[in-house]
Amino acid sequence: DQQVKQNSPSLSVQEGRISILNCDYTNSMFDYFLWYKKYPAEGPTFLISISSIKDKNEDGRFTVFLNKSAKHLSLHIVPSQPGDSAVYFCAASGGNAGNMLTFGGGTRLMVKP
Amino acid sequence: NAGVTQTPKFRVLKTGQSMTLLCAQDMNHEYMYWYRQDPGMGLRLIHYSVGEGTTAKGEVPDGYNVSRLKKQNFLLGLESAAPSQTSVYFCASSYRIQGLRNSPLHFGNGTRLTVT
Repeated sequence: DQQVKQNSPSLSVQEGRISILNCDYTNSMFDYFLWYKKYPAEGPTFLISISSIKDKNEDGRFTVFLNKSAKHLSLHIVPSQPGDSAVYFCAASGGNAGNMLTFGGGTRLMVKP
Repeated sequence: NAGVTQTPKFRVLKTGQSMTLLCAQDMNHEYMYWYRQDPGMGLRLIHYSVGEGTTAKGEVPDGYNVSRLKKQNFLLGLESAAPSQTSVYFCASSYRIQGLRNSPLHFGNGTRLTVT
């Protein structure tokens, strides 16, 4: 059973609007969460992270929100740009998983000009 | 600045054949990893290494072997390929163990393997 789930395989957004990518987890011991971005024919690259002691972390156009009680995190991209079109993976670590990351299945974001 | 380099980029194997995927990193990282990516499954850890001469099993190690004879290289072997091993394989490295703060994974560009 997947401990980290991204229930939306794809998302389409208009340029300039907000993109919201969601991620749910089941292991309450996870205490560190990350987002990776992947372009076609390239490896994933680290985007942003958040520790469980915070509920929000911001880096430019990217903000990650963590709701521990709901075991839910989201990535907001504002404003969305065509260059943001990629597959986004959320990942989590901590607890009995130790320092190994558990990845979600990914969400493909398409930002239309 | 090469980062993490994987060879080959593509490969087609017949069932039962063997091959080795090569990974090299030039960042002097201690930790190296092999992942496979399958649709809807995200990235799953096959094997990893915490330093030269060490290897450990990840989430999906069956059917694979690895070796880390030199710090900069991490090899993934398939002794007898099966169609279930059709996937995209990513090598990654990190300065400290993954999952720690400020120790992101650096990925190669992947190897697309098809087993017929």
